[in-house]
Amino acid sequence: NAGVTQTPKFRVLKTGQSMTLLCAQDMNHEYMYWYRQDPGMGLRLIHYSVGEGTTAKGEVPDGYNVSRLKKQNFLLGLESAAPSQTSVYFCASSYSFYTSGKNNEQFFGPGTRLTVL
Amino acid sequence: QQPVQSPQAVILREGEDAVINCSSSKALYSVHWYRQKHGEAPIFLMILLKGGEQKGHDKISASFNEKKQQSSLYLTASQLSYSGTYFCGTEKSGATNKLIFGTGTLLAVQP
Repeated sequence: NAGVTQTPKFRVLKTGQSMTLLCAQDMNHEYMYWYRQDPGMGLRLIHYSVGEGTTAKGEVPDGYNVSRLKKQNFLLGLESAAPSQTSVYFCASSYSFYTSGKNNEQFFGPGTRLTVL
Repeated sequence: QQPVQSPQAVILREGEDAVINCSSSKALYSVHWYRQKHGEAPIFLMILLKGGEQKGHDKISASFNEKKQQSSLYLTASQLSYSGTYFCGTEKSGATNKLIFGTGTLLAVQP
C-alpha cells in the first residue's frame, strides 16, 4: 500500500496564479483533511471531508477550495495565490470510528512545499 | 481554541526523562499525540479517549485528565530517535474526527 500520496512535492507560483494540489489514499478511509504548517504555528486545518461528495471548512479556509469527487482523492485549490499562502501543505486521512469501529488516527502524506512570490 | 503545549522546546541527554503538556480551554472528547521529524510527515503515537486514561507505547506513555482538559506525554529513558517535534491534537466531539493541533514541542536528545 502506498498510504497517502501528494502531488506535487514542490511548487513555486507567482502572485495571482492558480493551482491544484492532489491527495490520494489507498486505505479506504472515510475522512480526509488538508492542513498547512507554518513555523511556530503547528498544523492548522484548512478543509476536511467526512465522505465522498462532502466537504467542510476548518480553521483557516479563506483563499482555498476543495473537492472530493472520489473517496480516494481530495483536491485542494488555490484560485489566486498570495504570498501569505507560502507554506507546507499536508494531506491526511483516517477511518471514522463510528462507522468502522476502527481507530481514527490520522495518516499523513509527505507534504507539498509551496512558495508564492 | 488552539491547545497550548509546554514547554516549547526541551534539550535532553540520552537516558533522561521528559514531560510534554497539552492544555485546552474547551471540553475534550479525545487527545491525539504525533511526532514529526524535520522535513517529514507527522507520525501517530497514541490516542487517549477517556478521562484519566493512561496509555503506553514502549517507553512513551500519556495521560488524559478530562476534568482539567489536559494531557501529558511522558518520555522515559530518552533515546536519540525520540528527537523531533511533538504535537497534541484535541478533538471536541467524537462525531467529526476533527483535530485542532497545538503549536508543538521541539525535543532534542543529545548523546
